[in-house]
Amino acid sequence: ETGVTQTPRHLVMGMTNKKSLKCEQHLGHNAMYWYKQSAKKPLELMFVYNFKEQTENNSVPSRFSPECPNSSHLFLHLHTLQPEDSALYLCASSHGTGQSNEKLFFGSGTQLSVL
Amino acid sequence: QQQVKQSPQSLIVQKGGISIINCAYENTAFDYFPWYQQFPGKGPALLIAIRPDVSEKKEGRFTISFNKSAKQFSLHIMDSQPGDSATYFCAASRRTGTASKLTFGTGTRLQVTL
Repeated sequence: ETGVTQTPRHLVMGMTNKKSLKCEQHLGHNAMYWYKQSAKKPLELMFVYNFKEQTENNSVPSRFSPECPNSSHLFLHLHTLQPEDSALYLCASSHGTGQSNEKLFFGSGTQLSVL
Repeated sequence: QQQVKQSPQSLIVQKGGISIINCAYENTAFDYFPWYQQFPGKGPALLIAIRPDVSEKKEGRFTISFNKSAKQFSLHIMDSQPGDSATYFCAASRRTGTASKLTFGTGTRLQVTL
């Protein structure tokens, strides 16, 4: 148990659906992240929030919409996704100091399939 | 542009053998190089890390070797065990002032056979 909980673990959605991924951390961290993990590709950083403020949007399509109501919760709202968006979506958290040796704590991810 | 290149993509090692995974980076601003381990159904977890001012770091059976001039680093797993079977990601990080900004390699799937 890493202290970062993601729900749901699996999600199947059609291209016209709207769904949300949820992430919660119980570590007292200030920074939260969304990563996309696809086969044979590096983990792709999507969004970063530090003290509830978005500090990074890595050119992510607008069909992905993040929300960070507080430092413990992070959401990823999904709408009109494409089949190529099927992947494992990982949430992570860290202290948010900005030091290069900052350790990331990952959740187990949501395996998303877009039909 | 892939800033951290990792090889091999997959690796099969017999129990008791040495597993070696290699990574190379391009950006000299990176100053911290962690390795993350990911088991099926789990997220990645920090395994071991090194700063470029040392050439080697060892923690138990896991060793990172670092060559700053070549901009390369590698993970060695001594006496590999079936429980080491996982996907390993190298990464590189630099100071940002806000939150962590890790650049990951593509991952190596390690299988340790009996």
